[in-house]
Amino acid sequence: AQSVAQPEDQVNVAEGNPLTVKCTYSVSGNPYLFWYVQYPNRGLQFLLKYITGDNLVKGSYGFEAEFNKSQTSFHLKKPSALVSDSALYFCAVRDMVTNAGKSTFGDGTTLTVKP
Amino acid sequence: DGGITQSPKYLFRKEGQNVTLSCEQNLNHDAMYWYRQDPGQGLRLIYYSQIVNDFQKGDIAEGYSVSREKKESFPLTVTSAQKNPTAFYLCASTQGASGGTDTQYFGPGTRLTVL
Repeated sequence: AQSVAQPEDQVNVAEGNPLTVKCTYSVSGNPYLFWYVQYPNRGLQFLLKYITGDNLVKGSYGFEAEFNKSQTSFHLKKPSALVSDSALYFCAVRDMVTNAGKSTFGDGTTLTVKP
Repeated sequence: DGGITQSPKYLFRKEGQNVTLSCEQNLNHDAMYWYRQDPGQGLRLIYYSQIVNDFQKGDIAEGYSVSREKKESFPLTVTSAQKNPTAFYLCASTQGASGGTDTQYFGPGTRLTVL
């Protein structure tokens, strides 16, 4: 079975500081990993994904994530946080080998960026 | 504009009533999904459909039903058998039938409240 863990319910950072939102995963085969962002009462928006290749993936709004196979992690990062980055962030994994392409989502991490 | 629309945005249901949530996409995507989102929890898969006239149960299908008579439409019915239906419901789609490396596109959601 595949699973995703987001160990922090909440992350607080000051504007201008770097931010990290953590994600670890468990799959049987090769993982396809995704980050999505959700603003209040809205649907999820895609930020970035890792499929294969370079371990550092760059995405929308200046976000990036690093795939680490040995630590089974896919942490989301941004060098300089903005107040407008405050939202709920979801990590998701898809394992084509055992789960017919269905995604499993983490419980989400609320990011708060303070001015 | 291409995308996914969900209606209504807010829905109120009385005990014992069935209600149907609409999901329409004009992206020409093959696969469509229904998720339920509760506070502090990740998205949980209710049903998904990879092709017209076919659909599969997700992790929490009890008390729900779906149909896929047209490629662009995937309505979800919340039946009276669903004991705790108050939640935020999200519809999503992927271009390919199997999902694979595809990004999921999400609708804006429907918030269902049981009175």
